[in-house]
Amino acid sequence: AQTVTQSQPEMSVQEAETVTLSCTYDTSESNYYLFWYKQPPSRQMILVIRQEAYKQQNATENRFSVNFQKAAKSFSLKISDSQLGDTAMYFCAFMKPYRISGNQFYFGTGTSLTVIP
Amino acid sequence: GAGVSQSPRYKVAKRGQDVALRCDPISGHVSLFWYQQALGQGPEFLTYFQNEAQLDKSGLPSDRFFAERPEGSVSTLKIQRTQQEDSAVYLCASSLFGRASALHFGNGTRLTVT
Repeated sequence: AQTVTQSQPEMSVQEAETVTLSCTYDTSESNYYLFWYKQPPSRQMILVIRQEAYKQQNATENRFSVNFQKAAKSFSLKISDSQLGDTAMYFCAFMKPYRISGNQFYFGTGTSLTVIP
Repeated sequence: GAGVSQSPRYKVAKRGQDVALRCDPISGHVSLFWYQQALGQGPEFLTYFQNEAQLDKSGLPSDRFFAERPEGSVSTLKIQRTQQEDSAVYLCASSLFGRASALHFGNGTRLTVT
């Protein structure tokens, strides 16, 4: 079974500063995908960034970037120039693709990020 | 609309009542998932549809939970004889069928069983 661990239940960061959210996972699969989702108080889960395990290059998406360490099974999210709108729960997710029963997603327990003005 | 739509947004049910939660996925999305999210937790998988076929229902917590997607579009999650432990946010997500397809979520339905 796959497990996803987010060891930081809560974090805070000053506006315009940089923050890193950690995520580790456990799997025996060699082909998989990793995601970070953001869930603001509106409850809608929003895709932040995606990483394919077979790609060594770390994904970036504007102010969001990841540090993917496949051997260590680590997938941290860095948010640069934090903005008030970044305040939300952040979930790390592991996905096994192409199974008969559909892509299987496994989520961590989340990190609550507060950006302080 | 362009996104996944769920209704109702909030539902309060008395213990023992039946409830039905609706999900309208993004047009053209073959895959549809239901998740249960308890307070302070991440989403937990309930069931998966590929078009109208329910290919995985291993996450449904009991036989009181039933989901359907008869025409391969709109889906309904039904909970019979609700219990207090069913109180949670129920999230629906859809995606294209493919290796790297990300999930697109709705706003969820918050169910409170009193």
